[in-house]
Amino acid sequence: AQSVTQLGSHVSVSEGALVLLRCNYSSSVPPYLFWYVQYPNQGLQLLLKYTSAATLVKGINGFEAEFKKSETSFHLTKPSAHMSDAAEYFCAVSSTNAGKSTFGDGTTLTVKP
Amino acid sequence: ETGVTQSPTHLIKTRGQQVTLRCSSQSGHNTVSWYQQALGQGPQFIFQYYREEENGRGNFPPRFSGLQFPNYSSELNVNALELDDSALYLCASSSELRDKGDYGYTFGSGTRLTVV
Repeated sequence: AQSVTQLGSHVSVSEGALVLLRCNYSSSVPPYLFWYVQYPNQGLQLLLKYTSAATLVKGINGFEAEFKKSETSFHLTKPSAHMSDAAEYFCAVSSTNAGKSTFGDGTTLTVKP
Repeated sequence: ETGVTQSPTHLIKTRGQQVTLRCSSQSGHNTVSWYQQALGQGPQFIFQYYREEENGRGNFPPRFSGLQFPNYSSELNVNALELDDSALYLCASSSELRDKGDYGYTFGSGTRLTVV
């Protein structure tokens, strides 16, 4: 069994500030972990993925995430927020393949000018 | 290359009716997964198809069924619709099925189903 908890359903930051979106997972086997972004009325776009290689994963649009096994966490960060980063962000875990993922409930990121 | 196309984009059905949602995979993709995303929640895995065979199913009742065709396009069928079936249904495709996470899925924009 696997599960994902995203801490904070809403996060608000100022433009240029650090973005930190939190994700904790539970998995009985070594997990594959993903972060997706969803803009209104659109599907999901993969930001980055962890597949048991480097624990610090760099993704698109300046995002990165660090896999911490001891903390069962995979938090998403970006040093400087842009207005265009405002969207819904989902963390997901899979023990098999990426097409059978368990998603968290999402975090809505608001970026203030 | 073309992306994942889902149709229709929106539809409204009455409780008890049946609905078919369609997904055209990205060119070259032979694996399709379907997800249900209720309002304010993350997507939930319904099932996956690989080369026309079901390859895993989530916690959904049998009235949710699917098909994958030789051209790898796919359908999601839901019988005896209930109000709680109202959601965004997402289709995602990939070019390879492996028990590893080191490849990506391309998501469509979804079909918004409203059951009244």
